[in-house]
Amino acid sequence: DARVTQTPRHKVTEMGQEVTMRCQPILGHNTVFWYRQTMMQGLELLAYFRNRAPLDDSGMPKDRFSAEMPDATLATLKIQPSEPRDSAVYFCASGGGGSVGQPQHFGDGTRLSIL
Amino acid sequence: QQPVQSPQAVILREGEDAVINCSSSKALYSVHWYRQKHGEAPIFLMILLKGGEQKGHDKISASFNEKKQQSSLYLTASQLSYSGTYFCLPSNSNSGYALNFGKGTSLLVTP
Repeated sequence: DARVTQTPRHKVTEMGQEVTMRCQPILGHNTVFWYRQTMMQGLELLAYFRNRAPLDDSGMPKDRFSAEMPDATLATLKIQPSEPRDSAVYFCASGGGGSVGQPQHFGDGTRLSIL
Repeated sequence: QQPVQSPQAVILREGEDAVINCSSSKALYSVHWYRQKHGEAPIFLMILLKGGEQKGHDKISASFNEKKQQSSLYLTASQLSYSGTYFCLPSNSNSGYALNFGKGTSLLVTP
């Protein structure tokens, strides 16, 4: 079965370090979402792309977070500098068809801990 | 703006029924439903599109009332495997703008 692949699965690092999370969407899917999940806030939409162009990144703290799609097979989410409050599970999801009527397929997530 | 889900949590015995509601303050075009088990990624269950249709997946079905700006998920004769957190994801158009997930409803089915 086609799957969304996220790396790394786990990341522990110290405050102030740069963190890069990667996502390989399902081949042929043209929409990619980044979510952050915490107990307090639930699933928050950080950014999403269609055909590699950012459509909405209003949920992302701009001063330290950045999201890009260098090509159709790779999406990245970077945090620089990282802070303890960034500790969360970060999910990438992809969807096809160019419509929000299409289901989102989630990767297994990156569990991030900032010490 | 985040949709409101209710109840926040529910505990059932195997074989009992449950209803999970999702309400939005904005006009809706579609609603997605997802289930997430502990430590895993959310899994897509179904989409309901504008038109008030009702869909089913095994013994899980859902309805969508765009006039009331709400959707309901119905779990019939619940099984142990239904345990998890259920999320709704409404959208207000087909143009590509997705609203946020609800905070989720935690469902525990006990033997």
